Amino acid sequence: LAKTTQPISMDSYEGQEVNITCSHNNIATNDYITWYQQFPSQGPRFIIQGYKTKVTNEVASLFIPADRKSSTLSLPRVSLSDTAVYYCLLDGSSYKLIFGSGTRLLVRP
Amino acid sequence: NAGVTQTPKFQVLKTGQSMTLQCAQDMNHEYMSWYRQDPGMGLRLIHYSVGAGITDQGEVPNGYNVSRSTTEDFPLRLLSAAPSQTSVYFCASSGRGYTDTQYFGPGTRLTVL
Repeated sequence: LAKTTQPISMDSYEGQEVNITCSHNNIATNDYITWYQQFPSQGPRFIIQGYKTKVTNEVASLFIPADRKSSTLSLPRVSLSDTAVYYCLLDGSSYKLIFGSGTRLLVRP
Repeated sequence: NAGVTQTPKFQVLKTGQSMTLQCAQDMNHEYMSWYRQDPGMGLRLIHYSVGAGITDQGEVPNGYNVSRSTTEDFPLRLLSAAPSQTSVYFCASSGRGYTDTQYFGPGTRLTVL
């Protein structure tokens, strides 16, 4: 299964927009790009999913360029409660997810 | 809906002991999976099931058994616990749709002494 590469950690401040980029050079035609969020001592939680262009929901936006070799998760106006680990995954099936190490986002006051 | 439930929340075992981690979902999902997460790491897939009576291995299946006799339940059995199996175990379920997302349980924290 194709791998993803994302920064190990990021720091931000409350109220700022945070963009986390994920690289997936070997993405397959049937892969969707899915982002999960995980708080300490909890299971991951789905944030957003997309195939191409831009997807927006009440929590985040996902930007995917035409070649689909990367994607960017955008969190608008982060708060302290957004401090978590964010995982970028290529989802070719809904039950065999391959998690990398994720990006640890720390939001400071 | 309770979603995905796991029991126990915490467990301490001695090396060589066996035990079963329970997982249940009430969303009528076809797909269920077990993952383990070691400190500071991402989740790794142990076993998964695409329906009652059907199971298959993931990335790290050694030392674990699963069965799926009902849609709702997907227990994970540790045959002979080893310290290397100290981890947090997450169960997840998802629907059959191609883009259906996984719903994760709260996890079981297992320590093997």
